[in-house]
Amino acid sequence: QKEVEQNSGPLSVPEGAIASLNCTYSDRGSQSFFWYRQYSGKSPELIMSIYSNGDKEDGRFTAQLNKASQYVSLLIRDSQPSDSATYLCAGWQWGKLQFGAGTQVVVTP
Amino acid sequence: SAVISQKPSRDICQRGTSLTIQCQVDSQVTMMFWYRQQPGQSLTLIATANQGSEATYESGFVIDKFPISRPNLTFSTLTVSNMSPEDSSIYLCSVDKSGSGDEQFFGPGTRLTVL
Repeated sequence: QKEVEQNSGPLSVPEGAIASLNCTYSDRGSQSFFWYRQYSGKSPELIMSIYSNGDKEDGRFTAQLNKASQYVSLLIRDSQPSDSATYLCAGWQWGKLQFGAGTQVVVTP
Repeated sequence: SAVISQKPSRDICQRGTSLTIQCQVDSQVTMMFWYRQQPGQSLTLIATANQGSEATYESGFVIDKFPISRPNLTFSTLTVSNMSPEDSSIYLCSVDKSGSGDEQFFGPGTRLTVL
């Protein structure tokens, strides 16, 4: 079992709709979680971090963390074609990031 | 943030040869990581290279195959030794400025093709 699990997609989202991405983790020792966005042919870039239970909002992005359920999610509101990318969930444990497989998001006009 | 450069950006190599990838950071950082990303796959950590200590390799990666140097706080190299086509991948250098994952940034990557 991988330590961080994501659905690989692709997740097709109409422009203007909400994209909902999910991630589960197996190691309860992980305390910090991150969402990275990776455009095709580019390196990952950090878009959200979350450390405590609940929601964290930053512009059109909302990260949610539920430590009891070992669940992390990312919502992208008002999805734009420029949001089309692969989104990687990662947890920080033992001095390193553990990445999920990534979810490909395709925003359709 | 951190500005990270990697050399070369891409290379095509013959089976059995070795390639050394350089990673340069614009500021001093303690924590540096080397990742591999195969086509359509996620990131796989090869090793952690902290200055002043030996690199720590992840399961499935060994020093003889992927020797790493970390001579100072702004520079590191990863060598891919005795290459085979299975080593064809993108190799990414990454630094963490916070020590807790809060500020982890990635270099542009080195795209390696082994024939």
